[in-house]
Amino acid sequence: AQKITQTQPGMFVQEKEAVTLDCTYDTSDPSYGLFWYKQPSSGEMIFLIYQGSYDQQNATEGRYSLNFQKARKSANLVISASQLGDSAMYFCAMREGRDNQGGKLIFGQGTELSVKP
Amino acid sequence: DVKVTQSSRYLVKRTGEKVFLECVQDMDHENMFWYRQDPGLGLRLIYFSYDVKMKEKGDIPEGYSVSREKKERFSLILESASTNQTSMYLCASSRSGTGDRSPLHFGNGTRLTVT
Repeated sequence: AQKITQTQPGMFVQEKEAVTLDCTYDTSDPSYGLFWYKQPSSGEMIFLIYQGSYDQQNATEGRYSLNFQKARKSANLVISASQLGDSAMYFCAMREGRDNQGGKLIFGQGTELSVKP
Repeated sequence: DVKVTQSSRYLVKRTGEKVFLECVQDMDHENMFWYRQDPGLGLRLIYFSYDVKMKEKGDIPEGYSVSREKKERFSLILESASTNQTSMYLCASSRSGTGDRSPLHFGNGTRLTVT
């Protein structure tokens, strides 16, 4: 069963607008961590933001924020004030509690974001 | 900054060849991983290692093996390359002992084409 689901293969957003990239997950482990990565056309994977299952507040990192809804098992990435340089592939990933201590991540299928000028 | 270096950016091999993909990290990380990335499938874990000489199968280990003789180096081996192994291969590393917050640090990838 797919553990991380990104239902938007591709999205467009106008420059300077906000955009939400969807991610739902499935785990029976009460302890887990959620990650978002950005992959520009150059291919490098850039870590953006992290949310722990026990974190009381939604994570924020500059223009990135995570809309974490635990009961719905969703961890959507919000990018505010989109820039042309935000055009990239975005991946949601999860680490289950049994794999903590820096262990393996399970990735979603990815969402390709295109920012229009 | 963590540096994860993959030996080749692009590689073209013939069916049946034995292929070695090399990965080196310079931050003394305990954990290392090999993923393959295919359109529409995201990243899928092939093998990982939490210690020297230790290896564990990921979700798609068939047709691959790995070697970790030194802490900083993790090699992926395609014993007999096939066309369905044409893909982007990504190596990653992470620090152990930091709970679940430690991100994976990735190399720039090796795009392998098997003809």
